Amino acid sequence: EPEVTQTPSHQVTQMGQEVILRCVPISNHLYFYWYRQILGQKVEFLVSFYNNEISEKSEIFDDQFSVERPDGSNFTLKIRSTKLEDSAMYFCASSATGTGGVSINQPQHFGDGTRLSIL
Amino acid sequence: DQQVKQNSPSLSVQEGRISILNCDYTNSMFDYFLWYKKYPAEGPTFLISISSIKDKNEDGRFTVFLNKSAKHLSLHIVPSQPGDSAVYFCAASENYGQNFVFGPGTRLSVLP
Repeated sequence: EPEVTQTPSHQVTQMGQEVILRCVPISNHLYFYWYRQILGQKVEFLVSFYNNEISEKSEIFDDQFSVERPDGSNFTLKIRSTKLEDSAMYFCASSATGTGGVSINQPQHFGDGTRLSIL
Repeated sequence: DQQVKQNSPSLSVQEGRISILNCDYTNSMFDYFLWYKKYPAEGPTFLISISSIKDKNEDGRFTVFLNKSAKHLSLHIVPSQPGDSAVYFCAASENYGQNFVFGPGTRLSVLP
């Protein structure tokens, strides 16, 4: 069964450094997402991406965050100047298009996550 | 701001019995709901979904019930198996399935 893959599985970075988290969504999916889960807390939506642009973002997704689809397969999340509170599991997800080409009522499939530790 | 609530942090069930996991939501605009299962060190795995036009959806051992008037949904697992032991997340969306709001999860333990 096709799956979403994320690299690296664990990233350790000094506070203030830039970090890029990488994801390879399921190949025929066109909607992409990033979520995060701080230890002991619930999974939180960050951003959704479709047709090479952000379609929705949460309050968490501020100016230090950016996403990109640099080629036909990768989807990246960049954190420009990391803070201690950015330490979390970051999950990438993708979904297929539903009727009419929109992501209507389509489940999102998640990768196994990248654990980001900011020192 | 807890739009999606799972009030039982944990649940233990005997193998072969029914597991019932509950989820409540406050946002009446939610129109699509999913259940995910999560094992340690893995991402959430999609289990089953239901849209607001239905009140029940079944897939093998998993059935999801939606009560819109009560803003409540539940996941039934029958019969429960030890491999079902995991954290179960309820998630809801009001925007055609883009921005999902997750509940805090319920840890299910199925005892042999």
